[in-house]
Amino acid sequence: KAGVTQTPRYLIKTRGQQVTLSCSPISGHRSVSWYQQTPGQGLQFLFEYFSETQRNKGNFPGRFSGRQFSNSRSEMNVSTLELGDSALYLCASSWGGAGYEQYFGPGTRLTVT
Amino acid sequence: AQTVTQSQPEMSVQEAETVTLSCTYDTSESDYYLFWYKQPPSRQMILVIRQEAYKQQNATENRFSVNFQKAAKSFSLKISDSQLGDAAMYFCAYRSATGTASKLTFGTGTRLQVTL
Repeated sequence: KAGVTQTPRYLIKTRGQQVTLSCSPISGHRSVSWYQQTPGQGLQFLFEYFSETQRNKGNFPGRFSGRQFSNSRSEMNVSTLELGDSALYLCASSWGGAGYEQYFGPGTRLTVT
Repeated sequence: AQTVTQSQPEMSVQEAETVTLSCTYDTSESDYYLFWYKQPPSRQMILVIRQEAYKQQNATENRFSVNFQKAAKSFSLKISDSQLGDAAMYFCAYRSATGTASKLTFGTGTRLQVTL
């Protein structure tokens, strides 16, 4: 069974640009969650999508947005990039619901210059 | 809001020895899940072990076991017979069991070094 995949794996962007990251969940999983990992703030929850609807949202500015498609693939968009957005972005998929395991992808390393 | 605290930024253990990583958490909920995740240098987060709060029995997965003390809100991870491949960052995480919540709240992590 294929795991969670994230593309691209590495990305370099300039301040002020926007970026879109993609996450393909494990087949059959309907929930996709996104996390930001930085040395200063650690691992922080961005949002969760389930069946194309945002179900939970973390405490991030509106520049961070996402969506989920009918095949459960999810994209995360960050507009007007700031230096502080440099981070490892992890997505995790699950069947949905608190009782199910979350499986993480390898992450996308975003560097903003 | 729930918080997770890992007070040991770094730990070191000799190969084949046993090490315990500490984690405490704060919550007003009675039903929840606790996890230990491992993040090796590849950065891939790997689930090590999970504990349901309503279960009194401590979870065990091969060389990994937990000491779950619900009243004390403590959730430590014991790694027995440590191997070089155990070297990684270890994160303790909390997830509510209420409703449809899937959000994980992580601690700051403990970097485990395994020496020969």
